[in-house]
Amino acid sequence: EAQVTQNPRYLITVTGKKLTVTCSQNMNHEYMSWYRQDPGLGLRQIYYSMNVEVTDKGDVPEGYKVSRKEKRNFPLILESPSPNQTSLYFCASSPTPNQPQHFGDGTRLSIL
Amino acid sequence: TQLLEQSPQFLSIQEGENLTVYCNSSSVFSSLQWYRQEPGEGPVLLVTVVTGGEVKKLKRLTFQFGDARKDSSLHITAAQPGDTGLYLCAGFITSGTYKYIFGTGTRLKVLA
Repeated sequence: EAQVTQNPRYLITVTGKKLTVTCSQNMNHEYMSWYRQDPGLGLRQIYYSMNVEVTDKGDVPEGYKVSRKEKRNFPLILESPSPNQTSLYFCASSPTPNQPQHFGDGTRLSIL
Repeated sequence: TQLLEQSPQFLSIQEGENLTVYCNSSSVFSSLQWYRQEPGEGPVLLVTVVTGGEVKKLKRLTFQFGDARKDSSLHITAAQPGDTGLYLCAGFITSGTYKYIFGTGTRLKVLA
């Protein structure tokens, strides 16, 4: 089954403790993105990747890092999480940038 | 920062009524996508519009892309309770970047 898989689905952690949210897609898609969704603000793109080893900033990249060492994986790294990064995070992929995106089911992150 | 203003934010209507959701921006988009999101899930694509002035129909849903590719609308005819959900528009920008801008969403509730 074609899918985008995020892990974990839920995480409660404390300020400053490094964490990684994994994202994997099995559709051989080139374009992958990370978004955060906050009430009243909608979805905002954090980072995107056009292909392996090619990543670029979205609208809200501060405090986040990403890597794309393999085509299928696009982890989101919070080196020193802070409470303002508490949010619902979505990973998405598409065959090329201009084609429909397939979204994962989301990761709800709480930073205390 | 590019913005995509979506209106209305909330809409509660009776079954059988018609409604229109609008997305407006000062930015020009290469394409615009409409998604629907259910609680606890990621957004799911409804349609992509690419050409200025384009109109696409999906059963009772009609999507239009503005001539200047800066705005779009979603019209639902004879709404049904199954249409209840969060509707999101997303514009794709390619001038110097390859990123998506999402609207803030329209939360629709259709009452039986």
